[in-house]
Amino acid sequence: AQSVAQPEDQVNVAEGNPLTVKCTYSVSGNPYLFWYVQYPNRGLQFLLKYITGDNLVKGSYGFEAEFNKSQTSFHLKKPSALVSDSALYFCAVRPYGNNRLAFGKGNQVVVIP
Amino acid sequence: DTEVTQTPKHLVMGMTNKKSLKCEQHMGHRAMYWYKQKAKKPPELMFVYSYEKLSINESVPSRFSPECPNSSLLNLHLHALQPEDSALYLCASSQESLADSYEQYFGPGTRLTVT
Repeated sequence: AQSVAQPEDQVNVAEGNPLTVKCTYSVSGNPYLFWYVQYPNRGLQFLLKYITGDNLVKGSYGFEAEFNKSQTSFHLKKPSALVSDSALYFCAVRPYGNNRLAFGKGNQVVVIP
Repeated sequence: DTEVTQTPKHLVMGMTNKKSLKCEQHMGHRAMYWYKQKAKKPPELMFVYSYEKLSINESVPSRFSPECPNSSLLNLHLHALQPEDSALYLCASSQESLADSYEQYFGPGTRLTVT
């Protein structure tokens, strides 16, 4: 069975500083990895995904993520955080041949002005 | 257009009521999903439709009844719900559920309160 770990409950970062949200996964076979963001009282918005190829994936709103197979990690990054990036971030994994998306518990990101 | 729409935005219902949630997408997606989400928690998969056929039911109680009238519409019929069913109900769609690389697009959700 697949699983996703987001070890931190909340990430606090000052505006303008780099933002990192951590994600590790456990899955048999090659994974497809996703990041979603959820603003208050809204649905989830797709940010980016890793399928294959380049380990550095660029997505929406200046976010990027680095896939590391040896560490089974897929950390989300943004070079310079904005107050508007404050939201709930979910990492998700979907193993090949399985159409269930497994979500991590979510990380609340708070960007301090 | 990557929009999934859901109606109503908010719903308050008693435990003896019957109501329906509606979801619509016009992206040509052939897979549609219902999720339940409690506050600050990840979404929990309830049902998956692929090519208008129910492909996954995650052991959801029968008081929740999904329906997919056509490839663009997805309904969730509610009857005799319990207070613990109060949650945000999210609809999502993707190009093809068997092609695992496709991302899901989510609607804004229906906030359901059962009194």
